[in-house]
Amino acid sequence: GQQVMQIPQYQHVQEGEDFTTYCNSSTTLSNIQWYKQRPGGHPVFLIQLVKSGEVKKQKRLTFQFGEAKKNSSLHITATQTTDVGTYFCAGNFGNEKLTFGTGTRLTIIP
Amino acid sequence: EAGVAQSPRYKIIEKRQSVAFWCNPISGHATLYWYQQILGQGPKLLIQFQNNGVVDDSQLPKDRFSAERLKGVDSTLKIQPAKLEDSAVYLCASSPGTVGGNTIYFGEGSWLTVV
Repeated sequence: GQQVMQIPQYQHVQEGEDFTTYCNSSTTLSNIQWYKQRPGGHPVFLIQLVKSGEVKKQKRLTFQFGEAKKNSSLHITATQTTDVGTYFCAGNFGNEKLTFGTGTRLTIIP
Repeated sequence: EAGVAQSPRYKIIEKRQSVAFWCNPISGHATLYWYQQILGQGPKLLIQFQNNGVVDDSQLPKDRFSAERLKGVDSTLKIQPAKLEDSAVYLCASSPGTVGGNTIYFGEGSWLTVV
């Protein structure tokens, strides 16, 4: 089936360290979106990647879409306590339906 | 701009009882989604409406779940009878069009506990 896997499931980092989460699909994606969900909150859209090899930046966040459009990553430089939450990728397989990944839960050690 | 509104925020029911959740999407958004998010997992799409027509309900347990979107605006999701495994957050979301090029905006969610 069409699934999107994310690793790692959990990540604990010291404040100021970098963080990366990876998203993988067995089949080609039309596009991929990233969402952040704070504890007790709802998913909030971060970005959408469409093109093969695309790289987008938002301040300390860098998003990449693989050349084959089967994988993606989110990298946060110098984490802050405000970065705490679960980061989800969500893939569109061209069927106008988003399939969410399993998420990576980030906790920050002050 | 007002966000996606959902109610109730919290509900506790006994198994085999029924429950209904209501959603009002962002004004003008054609597409409405209901997702189920079990603790520690990613959101799972239950049903997707385009205006008042169903686009996808392949993961909706139709023996107990039903959803409708009247006049292409508000929507209700009903569970009858509820099972223990239905305990989850039910997220309503909307987008201006279909997923292809659109952001999905989520509501705060309705937290359901089945005891």
